[in-house]
Amino acid sequence: DTGVSQDPRHKITKRGQNVTFRCDPISEHNRLYWYRQTLGQGPEFLTYFQNEAQLEKSRLLSDRFSAERPKGSFSTLEIQRTEQGDSAMYLCASSSSVRGRETQYFGPGTRLLVL
Amino acid sequence: AQSVTQLDSQVPVFEEAPVELRCNYSSSVSVYLFWYVQYPNQGLQLLLKYLSGSTLVKGINGFEAEFNKSQTSFHLRKPSVHISDTAEYFCAVSSASKIIFGSGTRLSIRP
Repeated sequence: DTGVSQDPRHKITKRGQNVTFRCDPISEHNRLYWYRQTLGQGPEFLTYFQNEAQLEKSRLLSDRFSAERPKGSFSTLEIQRTEQGDSAMYLCASSSSVRGRETQYFGPGTRLLVL
Repeated sequence: AQSVTQLDSQVPVFEEAPVELRCNYSSSVSVYLFWYVQYPNQGLQLLLKYLSGSTLVKGINGFEAEFNKSQTSFHLRKPSVHISDTAEYFCAVSSASKIIFGSGTRLSIRP
């Protein structure tokens, strides 16, 4: 069990640019989640996948955000035309849908700064 | 709808003293409850969880929490804190898919 990994750990970009983040879940986990955490706040849910299907999206996920999990393994989160308000820590988590194993395990996060 | 309230945004405590971080939740369905810890510039690490069974749950690093259904609380406790416990602590609730987090409690340990 190598844990959830995220890449990159840090990203600085200029307003208007597109960015893409990657998350690799724990290998046997079929559920994958994205959260956003702004300074001084708890993480807020963005979206989640079960296998390759995106089952729920938060209203926080504007049209500029898109997430994919094409083969049911790793996932990408893309932000188009970044804005300064997108600056945050983006956290990925994974879990199993098997009953009793619903605990979500988090990666180290990608910290985004939009200038 | 589910929600989590962490009653204290900051808790200062002296090293080796006991600490309690308070958490109240609201939900109309059965829930799972969690405490996560976040060290500076890192992701969240699971401290402990309540899914069912015994209401007293023991976690890592000497922490424990008690689920109280009548008071809808899930307070976190440690009998003697260490400098290394300095971190942000998040209480969270989940019923199906997503987790709802509280706003966090910053625990600062004074020598």
